Amino acid sequence: QKEVEQNSGPLSVPEGAIASLNCTYSDRVSQSFFWYRQYSGKSPELIMSIYSNGDKEDGRFTAQLNKASQYVSLLIRDSQPSDSATYLCAVYSNSGYALNFGKGTSLLVTP
Amino acid sequence: EADIYQTPRYLVIGTGKKITLECSQTMGHDKMYWYQQDPGMELHLIHYSYGVNSTEKGDLSSESTVSRIRTEHFPLTLESARPSHTSQYLCASSAKGAGVNYGYTFGSGTRLTVV
Repeated sequence: QKEVEQNSGPLSVPEGAIASLNCTYSDRVSQSFFWYRQYSGKSPELIMSIYSNGDKEDGRFTAQLNKASQYVSLLIRDSQPSDSATYLCAVYSNSGYALNFGKGTSLLVTP
Repeated sequence: EADIYQTPRYLVIGTGKKITLECSQTMGHDKMYWYQQDPGMELHLIHYSYGVNSTEKGDLSSESTVSRIRTEHFPLTLESARPSHTSQYLCASSAKGAGVNYGYTFGSGTRLTVV
């Protein structure tokens, strides 16, 4: 079982809609969770971090964490074409030495 | 401006050559990392460092070595490049917190092609 799993997509949503991206992880004691955005040919950019169960909002982005279900999600409200990118979920393992990344979900926002 | 820099951005080199990919950060971060990413694929950890004179191998054996003589500098060396080393190499850094793991800041990457 991969440590961090994401649906590779592509996920297609119309402009203005809510995009919902999901991620599951295998290490039950993981404590730190991150979402990165990666445009084609570019390096990943950190957009959200979450450490506690519940929701964390930052502008149009909301990260949701459920440690009991080992599930973390990212909601993007009022999606824009500029949000079209690959979104990477990343989780520190219990050892905490480095992040494990999922393969990423490709998001396409259509005008 | 605090940032993380990688050079070169692109490199085409012949098989058997020795190459060094440079990575420097001005944020004073203790933790630094090298990842490898093929197009459309996930990032794989090659090496990491928790501070000066501290280096460890990651999950991906890439026949490379690293050094950390100064906090800001974390170069990656391939002693003998092979076509299988063709990939994008990403350097990242993060702060070290007491009981907290912070996210990474990535450099722009080096796209390596070995012919």
